[in-house]
Amino acid sequence: DAGVIQSPRHEVTEMGQEVTLRCKPISGHDYLFWYRQTMMRGLELLIYFNNNVPIDDSGMPEDRFSAKMPNASFSTLKIQPSEPRDSAVYFCASKGPWGGGTEAFFGQGTRLTVV
Amino acid sequence: AQKITQTQPGMFVQEKEAVTLDCTYDTSDQSYGLFWYKQPSSGEMIFLIYQGSYDEQNATEGRYSLNFQKARKSANLVISASQLGDSAMYFCAMRVTGSARQLTFGSGTQLTVLP
Repeated sequence: DAGVIQSPRHEVTEMGQEVTLRCKPISGHDYLFWYRQTMMRGLELLIYFNNNVPIDDSGMPEDRFSAKMPNASFSTLKIQPSEPRDSAVYFCASKGPWGGGTEAFFGQGTRLTVV
Repeated sequence: AQKITQTQPGMFVQEKEAVTLDCTYDTSDQSYGLFWYKQPSSGEMIFLIYQGSYDEQNATEGRYSLNFQKARKSANLVISASQLGDSAMYFCAMRVTGSARQLTFGSGTQLTVLP
C-alpha cells in the first residue's frame, strides 16, 4: 500500500483565496483525521471521520474551515477565505477499524503558507 | 480530558549511546493507548511504538522500548544505540479507548544525535 497520500505537498496562496487540501487514506481504513501543526500550538486535531461521517469537528477553528469525505478513499479540507494565521502544516491520518490495528498512519503533510 | 506532557524541548545524545525521552500523561480513563511518533526534518510522522494501558509488559520495537509506569502515569521512550538518523522531533500521544478515536499529542522533544 502506498500509505496516506496528501496533495499538494506545498501550497502558497494569497490571503483571501480559497485553499483545498486533499487526502487519500489507506485502503480499508475507516477512520480519517485532519491535524494541524504549528510552532505555537503543536499538533491539533481539527476533525475526524468514521465511515465517511464526521464524528467530531470541535477542533475546526472557524467557519472558514470545512471538511468533507464524499467516499472512503477521499477527503478534503477547505479554507475559504484563507488568512495568514492559517499558515501551518496540515496532516491527514487514517486508522483501521477497531481491532484492526492500533496506530494511525500519517500522510506527509501539506505545508500551507498564506501571504 | 486527556493531557500529554513532554518536559524536554530538546535533548542531545552521543552516537551509540542510549537516550530516554520523557512523557507523562493525565487521564481519568482506565483504558487507553500510548504512542510515540517520530518526525524527521522532512516532516512526515512515523509511528514508532504502542503501549496499551492493560499491557503488562513494556513494549519493544527494535531499538525502541517504552518504559511504562502506570502508577506514575509515565510512558518514556528509550532509544538504544542512537544513530545519526535518529535526530528528529519525537511526539508522545495518547488515545482513550472508546468512542473518541483521536490522538492527543504532547509538545514534542527535539533529539539531536551527535557524532
